[in-house]
Amino acid sequence: EAQVTQNPRYLITVTGKKLTVTCSQNMNHEYMSWYRQDPGLGLRQIYYSMNVEVTDKGDVPEGYKVSRKEKRNFPLILESPSPNQTSLYFCASNKDRRPYEQYFGPGTRLTVT
Amino acid sequence: TQLLEQSPQFLSIQEGENLTVYCNSSSVFSSLQWYRQEPGEGPVLLVTVVTGGEVKKLKRLTFQFGDARKDSSLHITAAQPGDTGLYLCAGENNAGNMLTFGGGTRLMVKP
Repeated sequence: EAQVTQNPRYLITVTGKKLTVTCSQNMNHEYMSWYRQDPGLGLRQIYYSMNVEVTDKGDVPEGYKVSRKEKRNFPLILESPSPNQTSLYFCASNKDRRPYEQYFGPGTRLTVT
Repeated sequence: TQLLEQSPQFLSIQEGENLTVYCNSSSVFSSLQWYRQEPGEGPVLLVTVVTGGEVKKLKRLTFQFGDARKDSSLHITAAQPGDTGLYLCAGENNAGNMLTFGGGTRLMVKP
């Protein structure tokens, strides 16, 4: 089954404790992205990747890092999480650059206390 | 920064009623997409419109892209409880590397 998977689905952590959210897709897609979804603000792109070793900032990259060492994986790293990073995070992938149609993972709900 | 405004934010209707959701911007988009999201899941793509004035139908759902490619609408005919969910519009930028999402319309269809 074609899908985007994320782990963990739920995470509660404390301020400053480094964490990684993994994302994997089995569709051989070139493009992958990370979004955060907040009430009243909608979905906002954090980072995107156009291919292995090629990443770029989205709208809200501060406080986040990403890497793309393999085509299928695109982990999101929070080096020093803060409470304002409490959010619902989605990984997405897309085959083609145009149109930029996203296939989303199930989401990771992160709470930083 | 391109902005997309969706209206209404919330809509509660009875089964069988018709409804229209609007997505408006002052910016031009290369394409516009509509997604539906259910609780605990990621958004799922419903349709992409690319050409100004384009109309696409998906069963009881009709999607239209404005002539100037700045706005779009989603019309649902004879809504059913299974249509309940969060509807999101998203505009693709000219560089083809980013989507700008609207704030969403939360639809509830009561039996």
